[in-house]
Amino acid sequence: KQEVTQIPAALSVPEGENLVLNCSFTDSAIYNLQWFRQDPGKGLTSLLLIQSSQREQTSGRLNASLDKSSGRSTLYIAASQPGDSATYLCAVRRNAGNMLTFGGGTRLMVKP
Amino acid sequence: GAVVSQHPSRVICKSGTSVKIECRSLDFQATTMFWYRQFPKQSLMLMATSNEGSKATYEQGVEKDKFLINHASLTLSTLTVTSAHPEDSSFYICSASRSGIDYEQYFGPGTRLTVT
Repeated sequence: KQEVTQIPAALSVPEGENLVLNCSFTDSAIYNLQWFRQDPGKGLTSLLLIQSSQREQTSGRLNASLDKSSGRSTLYIAASQPGDSATYLCAVRRNAGNMLTFGGGTRLMVKP
Repeated sequence: GAVVSQHPSRVICKSGTSVKIECRSLDFQATTMFWYRQFPKQSLMLMATSNEGSKATYEQGVEKDKFLINHASLTLSTLTVTSAHPEDSSFYICSASRSGIDYEQYFGPGTRLTVT
């Protein structure tokens, strides 16, 4: 059974810092991996989706990497801003079907 | 494109009553819809997967007679919480996926259910 773990569970940084969020998964037979953002009481916003054949994806200040063989992904946020404060979830999709398995999330607080 | 809506966004009901939550794909046909539950400060847990015109597939530990799922059309799925109890209070999120090579799930904004 696929298990997804995110470290740290919570993170507080001053504005302007670069930071890295970690995601690990136990079964490397994945179709893709996706990073989401969730604001309190809201739904999910997709940030980046990395196919299993890709190593990384970039969108603005966000960069996500994938090392499928080691079961790891990182989300790099450059020059963090208070507006980046949210919970970040990673989720992996297995090869068969289109179910997603979510990690526990990292709650990020960026202080002005 | 790929917008998913949920209604209602918030609902408060009394213990023992039933509540229906709707999930709609607004600009695409969703052959598959997923229902998740999220407790405070926890991640999303998949409850069930529904394919249009078929019975839903429930995850282990989810009572299918308590959480009734209907996916009667390619744009609408409903989740009915029957005989709700306070422990059913949670944030319910649906997602929808269209057929084709790109099977990305698109998520709704969620429904906050409070059972008093």
